[in-house]
Amino acid sequence: DAGVIQSPRHEVTEMGQEVTLRCKPISGHDYLFWYRQTMMRGLELLIYFNNNVPIDDSGMPEDRFSAKMPNASFSTLKIQPSEPRDSAVYFCTSSTERSYGYTFGSGTRLTVV
Amino acid sequence: KQEVTQIPAALSVPEGENLVLNCSFTDSAIYNLQWFRQDPGKGLTSLLLIQSSQREQTSGRLNASLDKSSGRSTLYIAASQPGDSATYLCAVFRTSYDKVIFGPGTSLSVIP
Repeated sequence: DAGVIQSPRHEVTEMGQEVTLRCKPISGHDYLFWYRQTMMRGLELLIYFNNNVPIDDSGMPEDRFSAKMPNASFSTLKIQPSEPRDSAVYFCTSSTERSYGYTFGSGTRLTVV
Repeated sequence: KQEVTQIPAALSVPEGENLVLNCSFTDSAIYNLQWFRQDPGKGLTSLLLIQSSQREQTSGRLNASLDKSSGRSTLYIAASQPGDSATYLCAVFRTSYDKVIFGPGTSLSVIP
């Protein structure tokens, strides 16, 4: 299994631009989670899906953030418009009820200038 | 609300030393506990997973223990090497599909 795949690995964008991060979960996993890592707050959950349906988006910081999961093998996290304080590393992970632990994607390092 | 803390925040040791990293969590109703390693600018690498029914897990020079009743876990690294330098994160979750609560991490530096 290729594990959780995220793209791009690095993204540098100007303030005000739209940014789209992508995640492909492990095949067969029906839960998908998006996390954000910052120096100030560490790793925190943004949103998670079950069977492509958003279950808990209470961690999404603002309306500028949105996430979708159009099918079982693909999810996007979009920031529009982006701001410098959105600069962070965004991680994706997936699981199933039969999982014991989590495997994280390699993350997307976002820099908004 | 589950909270995870890690002590110390940073640790610097000479090569060859044995060391212990500590993790504490406030709610003992966890499913599993997982230790991760993160190198600077890199992703999260899973080191050890301890199921709630287990007391410890070992992988090479690493040994992780779990005491659910006291809300504590330790990660023991034997004969430390410069390549062990990284940030070590402790994480707990209530079910196999629950959000993961991470500790702030311990930054380890092993000096040659």
